[in-house]
Amino acid sequence: DAKTTQPPSMDCAEGRAANLPCNHSTISGNEYVYWYRQIHSQGPQYIIHGLKNNETNEMASLIITEDRKSSTLILPHATLRDTAVYYCIALEYGNKLVFGAGTILRVKS
Amino acid sequence: KAGVTQTPRYLIKTRGQQVTLSCSPISGHRSVSWYQQTPGQGLQFLFEYFSETQRNKGNFPGRFSGRQFSNSRSEMNVSTLELGDSALYLCASSARHATNEKLFFGSGTQLSVL
Repeated sequence: DAKTTQPPSMDCAEGRAANLPCNHSTISGNEYVYWYRQIHSQGPQYIIHGLKNNETNEMASLIITEDRKSSTLILPHATLRDTAVYYCIALEYGNKLVFGAGTILRVKS
Repeated sequence: KAGVTQTPRYLIKTRGQQVTLSCSPISGHRSVSWYQQTPGQGLQFLFEYFSETQRNKGNFPGRFSGRQFSNSRSEMNVSTLELGDSALYLCASSARHATNEKLFFGSGTQLSVL
C-alpha cells in the first residue's frame, strides 16, 4: 500500500471550509484513497473514498489530482464537532487499513 | 440498524493472564477486522476474518489470536498478557472482503494490564 503524507495539524475557523491535504505520490492504479477521522476516545469513522474521480457525500468532498499523487478532503462548513484526527489512507483492499499519524484538525469558534 | 458492538468496554487484567474480547458486527456484515491503538504506535492492524477464515494478519506475536463464528461475531484473544498490551482494541466490520469497501468501527475495548 502506498505511503501517505499529511501535515501534523491544522486550524480552521468554525463555519469556514476545512481543506486537508494528503500526498500519496507512490499510489498505484488499483489503490483507492480513503479518509477516516477519529474523535477523541471513539473508534475511527469513515468519511469518504475515491479512485480517480472527485467524490462528494453528505459529510465531505474528496478532490483527487489528475495524476493521483495527491488529494484534498474538504469539509465545507466546519463545526466544533469536526475537531478530530483525520487519516488519509491509500490502499487496494478496504478491509486492511494502514494508519499513519494523521492530521489533527482543530476547529475554533 | 445497530452499529458495531464491542464488549466489554473496559477491562483490567494482570500480567500473565489471558483475555478475550468480543465484537458483534453490523447485521449482514461478514468481514470483521481488529485493530490495536496505543499512544506510542498509533492504530495498527491485527487481523481480518471473513466467512470464519482469517484473510489478513498484521505483524503481531502469536499471543494475539482471533476467530469468527458462523453468525459473523468475532472474538479476539490475547494470552500471557504483557504491560505493553495495554491499549484500546477496536473492531470494525464491513459487508465484504474486497476493494472499494468501507469499515464501520466500534467504540473499542480499553484494556489495562497491571
